[in-house]
Amino acid sequence: AQKITQTQPGMFVQEKEAVTLDCTYDTSDPSYGLFWYKQPSSGEMIFLIYQGSYDQQNATEGRYSLNFQKARKSANLVISASQLGDSAMYFCAMREDNAGNMLTFGGGTRLMVKP
Amino acid sequence: DTEVTQTPKHLVMGMTNKKSLKCEQHMGHRAMYWYKQKAKKPPELMFVYSYEKLSINESVPSRFSPECPNSSLLNLHLHALQPEDSALYLCASSQQITGFTDTQYFGPGTRLTVL
Repeated sequence: AQKITQTQPGMFVQEKEAVTLDCTYDTSDPSYGLFWYKQPSSGEMIFLIYQGSYDQQNATEGRYSLNFQKARKSANLVISASQLGDSAMYFCAMREDNAGNMLTFGGGTRLMVKP
Repeated sequence: DTEVTQTPKHLVMGMTNKKSLKCEQHMGHRAMYWYKQKAKKPPELMFVYSYEKLSINESVPSRFSPECPNSSLLNLHLHALQPEDSALYLCASSQQITGFTDTQYFGPGTRLTVL
């Protein structure tokens, strides 16, 4: 079974609108971290935001917030006020406490921001 | 400063060539990683060095040879590659915090083409 699932291969959003990118995960480890990365066409993977399994509040970093619903095993990324520069591939990833240095990635969502 | 640098940015090599990819970080991180990423796919882990010792080798063919000369540098030596090895090679580093909160920071990648 896939550990990280991103069900939206591609999405469009109008500039200045908010957009939600979906991520569901599967783990039996009670201790885990969830990460979102942005990958523009240039190739660099840019770390955006982190949520730990024991964190009580949803993580926020500027225009990025993580909608963490632990019971549903979902960790959706919300980007507010989309900008043209947000057009990129977005990857959700998980690190389980019992998996050492292993980071498991989802298949990614390509976001395209329309002017 | 969360910068990981990689050289070269682009590399074209023949199947009989020997070349090396270089990665450097000055964040005091003690874990360094090599990933391979094919187009429209998530990164695949190749190797992990923890405290300058190889800790994970994900069954990578021997034509890829990693080296960690010191805590800031990571090399990937390439020899007798195949055209299917053409990909984006990403380096990453992390603090090597015990547990699941360790965030990996990526470099800009090297785009490798094997002719």
